Amino acid sequence: GESVGLHLPTLSVQEGDNSIINCAYSNSASDYFIWYKQESGKGPQFIIDIRSNMDKRQGQRVTVLLNKTVKHLSLQIAATQPGDSAVYFCAEGYSTLTFGKGTMLLVSP
Amino acid sequence: DSGVTQTPKHLITATGQRVTLRCSPRSGDLSVYWYQQSLDQGLQFLIQYYNGEERAKGNILERFSAQQFPDLHSELNLSSLELGDSALYFCASSVGVYTGELFFGEGSRLTVL
Repeated sequence: GESVGLHLPTLSVQEGDNSIINCAYSNSASDYFIWYKQESGKGPQFIIDIRSNMDKRQGQRVTVLLNKTVKHLSLQIAATQPGDSAVYFCAEGYSTLTFGKGTMLLVSP
Repeated sequence: DSGVTQTPKHLITATGQRVTLRCSPRSGDLSVYWYQQSLDQGLQFLIQYYNGEERAKGNILERFSAQQFPDLHSELNLSSLELGDSALYFCASSVGVYTGELFFGEGSRLTVL
């Protein structure tokens, strides 16, 4: 079936750096993507979404970029903080989400 | 705090047994979802209910069933448990049906011995 996957399983950054988490998707018909953050012992938490008629969307310290040509999206976190340490998932779809495998972001002080 | 409540938080049981996981959605949310998270399969959609009716089905085994009650809380029933059913089971809720913004509970960790 279709899948949404991630390039890197673990990303280690220093506090204050910018972080970029990547995600590839395979279904060219996908038109809606979401990023979730999951902290240890908690459920996934919505961060930001983007529709396929956009190539960039910004939130508070986060930016999602969508490249439909190569079926790739990324989550950029500016000025990464230790509280950003978590597993980040990209997902596709409305409600019945298909999640990628996740990337662990480790932020060291 | 997402506003979604799941019980129990942890559950240990034996193969062949049956368990029930319970979920209370956020106040006002009509949609309830169940997801399974395991190390090998990741986060997988199981089933969705909207206002008491089954809305969508994902990779849910026939041994598993769910329902949403008139007060909108939901239960996921897992029967004839196998070792491979050990996982985190998340409930999520949303206001509508076509949204990517789901509110997840903290999960019920099931261990089958």
